[in-house]
Amino acid sequence: GAVVSQHPSWVICKSGTSVKIECRSLDFQATTMFWYRQFPKQSLMLMATSNEGSKATYEQGVEKDKFLINHASLTLSTLTVTSAHPEDSSFYICSARDPLAGHPGSEQFFGPGTRLTVL
Amino acid sequence: AQSVTQLGSHVSVSEGALVLLRCNYSSSVPPYLFWYVQYPNQGLQLLLKYTSAATLVKGINGFEAEFKKSETSFHLTKPSAHMSDAAEYFCAVSVGLGDKIIFGKGTRLHILP
Repeated sequence: GAVVSQHPSWVICKSGTSVKIECRSLDFQATTMFWYRQFPKQSLMLMATSNEGSKATYEQGVEKDKFLINHASLTLSTLTVTSAHPEDSSFYICSARDPLAGHPGSEQFFGPGTRLTVL
Repeated sequence: AQSVTQLGSHVSVSEGALVLLRCNYSSSVPPYLFWYVQYPNQGLQLLLKYTSAATLVKGINGFEAEFKKSETSFHLTKPSAHMSDAAEYFCAVSVGLGDKIIFGKGTRLHILP
């Protein structure tokens, strides 16, 4: 299957700083990527849908000015957590939609996740 | 709006016993349904998906699920549990293949020796 990578796999930062997380589709072009957040022992909550070359679509309750998403190429989307605070500490997971979107063989491929800890 | 409900946040079964993880869905349109597995501190791995082609779906690692429209259910089963099956399992729904996915709260499966 297709491979999606995330970098870094974990990051620790001080409160008030900004952190950038990268999501890459390694062997396919992804016009759409999704960003999820997962708090400890909880489910994944969709934060936003990222479309290449256009603005991201944020889910209700997600602050677009705090979680900046850029999808500048067909293989890379970035999530920047601006002015991070301890409550932003979470596991962030991205997924990429493969080119067969809409077809029975289509699926999303998930990255391994990035553990963010804000001190 | 779409949603999934997973019954039981924790399920324990003995090694070799039947695994049954329950999932009920709600959708205003014909749904696409998924089961994912997550091991600690890792991303998600797709176990199987329902795309309306067949109501009984076979996945990886011996898992299968049956779509029952009348019961709005998509329960996951495996005839014989292995220790390696211990993980978190998520049922999920989508309006279209490749579209955004709505996840259930997850069920942690414990395997007893």
